Amino acid sequence: GQNIDQPTEMTATEGAIVQINCTYQTSGFNGLFWYQQHAGEAPTFLSYNVLDGLEEKGRFSSFLSRSKGYSYLLLKELQMKDSASYLCAVLDSNYQLIWGAGTKLIIKP
Amino acid sequence: ETGVTQTPRHLVMGMTNKKSLKCEQHLGHNAMYWYKQSAKKPLELMFVYSLEERVENNSVPSRFSPECPNSSHLFLHLHTLQPEDSALYLCASSQEPSGVNEQFFGPGTRLTVL
Repeated sequence: GQNIDQPTEMTATEGAIVQINCTYQTSGFNGLFWYQQHAGEAPTFLSYNVLDGLEEKGRFSSFLSRSKGYSYLLLKELQMKDSASYLCAVLDSNYQLIWGAGTKLIIKP
Repeated sequence: ETGVTQTPRHLVMGMTNKKSLKCEQHLGHNAMYWYKQSAKKPLELMFVYSLEERVENNSVPSRFSPECPNSSHLFLHLHTLQPEDSALYLCASSQEPSGVNEQFFGPGTRLTVL
């Protein structure tokens, strides 16, 4: 079967750095997405990786290793507004998105 | 209005009621999606429409019936639901359904079935 694993919940301190991991086992791979979802709001797109390596976008970076079936989202200089759930999703060989259950990130002052 | 809108935002219904959820996208996209989001579970894809034709069903119970009258509007008709159908129902759109392009989500309808 297809599976996406990410931690259920993480806690970090304002101003610090946090890394949210995502491992996947899917039938084929056509890219990996990260979305952010604040409580009671719509998920919003953060990043898309299809090649190995690190992609940086401001305070957020996303890394992919296809050989290891692994990705992480790195958040730097954490702000209180970064408190949200972070969803990892993989596009399989049929171009269907397989979603993880999300990681709830709690930022403390 | 911009982006993807959904109405109503909250809905409480009995098991014998019939109701409809509405989604409208203002982005000029040609693919629309219905998802179910339950607490601590992955997003479940229910239906996909590409160019107003359904391309994905994912074995959704027949008490959920989608309708896509044009590329900007999507409905989810509900009847004789069960309490376990209580969840957040999200609509999304994208440019072409291959999945490579990011999906834009609406704020969702929080559904409670009594």
